[in-house]
Amino acid sequence: TQLLEQSPQFLSIQEGENLTVYCNSSSVFSSLQWYRQEPGEGPVLLVTVVTGGEVKKLKRLTFQFGDARKDSSLHITAAQPGDTGLYLCAGAGGGGSNYKLTFGKGTLLTVNP
Amino acid sequence: DAGITQSPRHKVTETGTPVTLRCHQTENHRYMYWYRQDPGHGLRLIHYSYGVKDTDKGEVSDGYSVSRSKTEDFLLTLESATSSQTSVYFCAISGFGGTSRNEQFFGPGTRLTVL
Repeated sequence: TQLLEQSPQFLSIQEGENLTVYCNSSSVFSSLQWYRQEPGEGPVLLVTVVTGGEVKKLKRLTFQFGDARKDSSLHITAAQPGDTGLYLCAGAGGGGSNYKLTFGKGTLLTVNP
Repeated sequence: DAGITQSPRHKVTETGTPVTLRCHQTENHRYMYWYRQDPGHGLRLIHYSYGVKDTDKGEVSDGYSVSRSKTEDFLLTLESATSSQTSVYFCAISGFGGTSRNEQFFGPGTRLTVL
């Protein structure tokens, strides 16, 4: 069983602060995706990273894939209340199968005004 | 947004009754997935399909069956619902399910309560 460990599980910060969320595994993945989920809705894909060491930016969000393709991080600069939600990482190709994604349990972020 | 709908959106049923959830897509994607999401467990794969009439089990498939008779519809059936199957169920679709770019697009979810 491939596992993705996310940390922290919960994060409550004030508007304007910076934060980093981590996604770690002992397994190698062919790609890693980040999703955001709001209450009562399905997850929405934010980004996919494929190459070891890859960095992608989406406005105030910066995503990085570890050199060994076993871990990833999401950094948010100057968080806004609209960033509130459950952030999920998901790995493809774990265990040799690209058909399935392995999901972490998520980081619940609350940004207070 | 990907054209993916789920029905019903909410359902309350009693233990022992069969329940069928429907996922419908208008994207013509080959791959479709059923997940359940529970506190403390995250998203767990129940079954997935890699084509019409082609399905396979995920990590929590016991008590569930699926069918896919056409590209756009993927049905999840709880043969005899139990309280442990109370959950939020998500359908997802992907155009590249067999590749490293297995990016999935999720439906809005079905909240199922089994009394």
